[in-house]
Amino acid sequence: GIQVEQSPPDLILQEGANSTLRCNFSDSVNNLQWFHQNPWGQLINLFYIPSGTKQNGRLSATTVATERYSLLYISSSQTTDSGVYFCAVGIKAAGNKLTFGGGTRVLVKP
Amino acid sequence: NAGVTQTPKFRILKIGQSMTLQCTQDMNHNYMYWYRQDPGMGLKLIYYSVGAGITDKGEVPNGYNVSRSTTEDFPLRLELAAPSQTSVYFCASRYGGTSGSSYNEQFFGPGTRLTVL
Repeated sequence: GIQVEQSPPDLILQEGANSTLRCNFSDSVNNLQWFHQNPWGQLINLFYIPSGTKQNGRLSATTVATERYSLLYISSSQTTDSGVYFCAVGIKAAGNKLTFGGGTRVLVKP
Repeated sequence: NAGVTQTPKFRILKIGQSMTLQCTQDMNHNYMYWYRQDPGMGLKLIYYSVGAGITDKGEVPNGYNVSRSTTEDFPLRLELAAPSQTSVYFCASRYGGTSGSSYNEQFFGPGTRLTVL
């Protein structure tokens, strides 16, 4: 099956810092989603981005499908950005079932 | 829309007991999914459904059963609970149509935290 790797596994930031999270995947995909899992365990949809670039406030994401990677940018980080960020991909041949990466655990310190 | 709702939020089971985790979506989505998340890990697919009456196994189906009698509901049944089934369970849905900017996007419920002792 498709492999999804996220890096770095852990990230500690000072409030106000910028950061980049990476997601590599092993096959062509027609679905890629970024999620934020907050400290209460809720999964929050950040981006649906199988290709291209999107921005939402301080967050933006870019997927380069031909090179099989996606990047999530966090700018001017806030303590509320703490949590785990997951990348998940789906391929049409597998019914678009999502395969999740291992996540990047982010801690933003005040 | 309430989106995807799950009940209960928390549950403790004894080894060998059974229970049903409920999942309902009000977005008229065709596809529904059950995932489990073990501590410190990503989510793994248990079962999924492409429409009422149609279900299929995911990556980790052993010890679970599902049914899909309506578009809205997709319950997950645990028979003979085991400690290895201690996990957080997430239900998700997506439209599954052939048009629209994000028809593949999955939306998740709040999760059910299950402990088997």
